[in-house]
Amino acid sequence: DTAVSQTPKYLVTQMGNDKSIKCEQNLGHDTMYWYKQDSKKFLKIMFSYNNKELIINETVPNRFSPKSPDKAHLNLHINSLELGDSAVYFCASSQQKTTTQETQYFGPGTRLLVL
Amino acid sequence: DQQVKQNSPSLSVQEGRISILNCDYTNSMFDYFLWYKKYPAEGPTFLISISSIKDKNEDGRFTVFLNKSAKHLSLHIVPSQPGDSAVYFCAADDTGRRALTFGSGTRLQVQP
Repeated sequence: DTAVSQTPKYLVTQMGNDKSIKCEQNLGHDTMYWYKQDSKKFLKIMFSYNNKELIINETVPNRFSPKSPDKAHLNLHINSLELGDSAVYFCASSQQKTTTQETQYFGPGTRLLVL
Repeated sequence: DQQVKQNSPSLSVQEGRISILNCDYTNSMFDYFLWYKKYPAEGPTFLISISSIKDKNEDGRFTVFLNKSAKHLSLHIVPSQPGDSAVYFCAADDTGRRALTFGSGTRLQVQP
């Protein structure tokens, strides 16, 4: 009964490769997010999608492309991986309501190491 | 430019005592504040939140206080238990933007 799940949990790859991380939520939420936790442990927003529509794109290189086939899934594809992409990537979701404040629920994270 | 700051990277308390974790913010647009707890190799787990229209919210052993004029919030855990040992992240949301801004976290260690 996992609420927000991510695959894979660990990803080790070579520089220059292309990789994807998948995220699924079974909470019935309308909004999904990708966050990156860097080496200094800061969690920073990368993207958010609402009902498959891109809402936020936080100055992320074009090599990162989110894809939302439906509102329960938000995948992250990374082209031409660089050493600096090594981080932990967290997916999150929240219920979209226009007048109330919503809590975001996080997945377990994907630990990406680029060699 | 850190808009949410947790100036104490770590805190150690005795079991049964109170743990107080602090957080400061600079952006006046923030109107919703959350605390997340994180264990190693897991995702952040939502703990408690508070809207900017309130100054206190309580849930069992956890209470969050918000001082808007000082742009400061704190999380109180009473009594602290060894299972509370984790990294605690303060986060703030601008409801219009819907993207959390996180602090750098405080590692809490509760000694038995």
